[in-house]
Amino acid sequence: QVQLVQSGAEVKKPGSSVKVSCKASGGTFTNYAISWVRQAPGQGLEWMGGIIPIFGAANYAQKFQGRVTINADESTGTAYMELSSLRSEDTAVYYCARLLRGISAGTYYYYGMDVWGQGTTVTVSS
Amino acid sequence: QTVVTQEPSLTVSPGGTVTLTCASSTGAVTSGYYPNWFQQKPGQAPRALIYSTSNKHSWTPARFSGSLLGGKAALTLSGVQPEDEAEYYCLLYYGGAQLGVFGTGTKVTVL
Repeated sequence: QVQLVQSGAEVKKPGSSVKVSCKASGGTFTNYAISWVRQAPGQGLEWMGGIIPIFGAANYAQKFQGRVTINADESTGTAYMELSSLRSEDTAVYYCARLLRGISAGTYYYYGMDVWGQGTTVTVSS
Repeated sequence: QTVVTQEPSLTVSPGGTVTLTCASSTGAVTSGYYPNWFQQKPGQAPRALIYSTSNKHSWTPARFSGSLLGGKAALTLSGVQPEDEAEYYCLLYYGGAQLGVFGTGTKVTVL
């Protein structure tokens, strides 16, 4: 059974960066795709981006372009999300989730999301 | 900026049926958006219910079903149970199904 275990809570200063990890157990990590989703207090879910570790390249939501980096270490089965230039509005719970992916005409696509990590609370405060 | 819109709130009686919808600002939702549905209870991580419009995960109760309805994605809860009270989010995939956008969420109250 696939499980995603995230790193612990973080408290950061405005302007700094945070890096959250997501370690997979069960299954074959190289077959995974991982997405990052955040949820500000009392707000809805927000897609940040996704990565297929064996390909390496990540896709990012336009809102986070230039400020977020998603990567993965196949050797440890761990995905990472780093968010820079933090501001108070980045205070949120950050989730990783496994993406279901397919390939058509040589191009991959996402069609689902199943297993979620437990979430990591990031607080940005001076 | 793509916006995915859901009903803010719906109320249903125990044992009743309720349908939630998910609309895209870009036009009609089709199967090519691979609609997904998630349930979230307070203090918990979201739980996946439906993927690719109507496919259930192994843990999804039979009373949940997904479909396309009038140009929108839809989630129908039949025979609603008290434990179904939760926030529900849809997710649509854009950009060649490489980028996701979540809906605004629907709060379902069982009363």
